[in-house]
Amino acid sequence: DGGITQSPKYLFRKEGQNVTLSCEQNLNHDAMYWYRQDPGQGLRLIYYSQIVNDFQKGDIAEGYSVSREKKESFPLTVTSAQKNPTAFYLCASSIDSRGYGYTFGSGTRLTVV
Amino acid sequence: DQQVKQNSPSLSVQEGRISILNCDYTNSMFDYFLWYKKYPAEGPTFLISISSIKDKNEDGRFTVFLNKSAKHLSLHIVPSQPGDSAVYFCAASARGETSGSRLTFGEGTQLTVNP
Repeated sequence: DGGITQSPKYLFRKEGQNVTLSCEQNLNHDAMYWYRQDPGQGLRLIYYSQIVNDFQKGDIAEGYSVSREKKESFPLTVTSAQKNPTAFYLCASSIDSRGYGYTFGSGTRLTVV
Repeated sequence: DQQVKQNSPSLSVQEGRISILNCDYTNSMFDYFLWYKKYPAEGPTFLISISSIKDKNEDGRFTVFLNKSAKHLSLHIVPSQPGDSAVYFCAASARGETSGSRLTFGEGTQLTVNP
């Protein structure tokens, strides 16, 4: 079955360390997205990519970086510059960039200790 | 600038009654609207959508209404069931944009259906 996989489900990081969250999809979707969920703030867009080797900043890109070297993969790196990294991170993909419905992964809970 | 707003953080209803979740938007370029349902520690799942050329879309117990002049949409769940208890996100996109189109989400509403 096609789907989108995020790993790991839970991640702990020490302050000052970078950490990379994985997102893989086998849906043959062109577009991929990273969102962050915080209580009371809904889903906020970090980065998105409409095509391989291209990506754009979302609304809260500071302290994050991404790459899109393969259509199937869109890893997110949370750098030490991110002031409040503890959150639930969601990856999504869609068949194109025109805003049709997304398929979401099951999320990664990142906790800074 | 919150372009999609869900003003009610929570809603509690009795099993069998109607649940009405509301959503307002400010961007007049939005032309496609969706509702997602999310359980704790899981990704959101698509529930129902509506294009701006319609004012109503129905799928089983779920109906979405769109009032373009008021920039308001609502999700009706009838009858509500305990399994409907989840966070519901409203989302919108401007599909007519040639680039950079993406979904903008509201803050979410926690629905609790009591047995």
